[in-house]
Amino acid sequence: AQKITQTQPGMFVQEKEAVTLDCTYDTSDPSYGLFWYKQPSSGEMIFLIYQGSYDQQNATEGRYSLNFQKARKSANLVISASQLGDSAMYFCAMSPIKAAGNKLTFGGGTRVLVKP
Amino acid sequence: DAGVTQSPTHLIKTRGQQVTLRCSPKSGHDTVSWYQQALGQGPQFIFQYYEEEERQRGNFPDRFSGHQFPNYSSELNVNALLLGDSALYLCASSALIAGETQYFGPGTRLLVL
Repeated sequence: AQKITQTQPGMFVQEKEAVTLDCTYDTSDPSYGLFWYKQPSSGEMIFLIYQGSYDQQNATEGRYSLNFQKARKSANLVISASQLGDSAMYFCAMSPIKAAGNKLTFGGGTRVLVKP
Repeated sequence: DAGVTQSPTHLIKTRGQQVTLRCSPKSGHDTVSWYQQALGQGPQFIFQYYEEEERQRGNFPDRFSGHQFPNYSSELNVNALLLGDSALYLCASSALIAGETQYFGPGTRLLVL
């Protein structure tokens, strides 16, 4: 079984500053993928970034970067230069990669509010 | 290139009724997964369809059933609705490749009264 824990229910961040969202995970699968999704108030889950468990380098996508520490089982999301449009719920998720098309297991989410 | 689409966007039902939700996957995707997201929680996996068959199923009762059509679109059916079925239902599509990212639709908000 897989488990995702997000311990920060909500955060405020000043516009143009960076913010780190915490995510820890637990799994017995030898290979797995870690994902971050953004969910605005409209409800749609927007894919942000992916990290494979055997990737040597941390993933980056524009202003998003994933701080992957395998030994600590953490996959924190860093958003640089926050914008007002970054205000949303953020979910960390994982899936095993032992077979194709596996289900996603989500954490409880972190609500981010960017202040002007 | 159209993304994942879902219909309807909102739905109100009463206890005991049945509901059908629909999803069209992103172009090029052949796998559809359904998730239930209760208010204030993360999404929970319901089931996944590939080649018109259910491949995986989460911890949901048999009242939840689904179907996938030859054009890869999918339906989620819920029978004998309970108040606790009120939630946002999200459809996600992907290609059946290990580690392939799932892309989500806008969801259907179901309210059971």
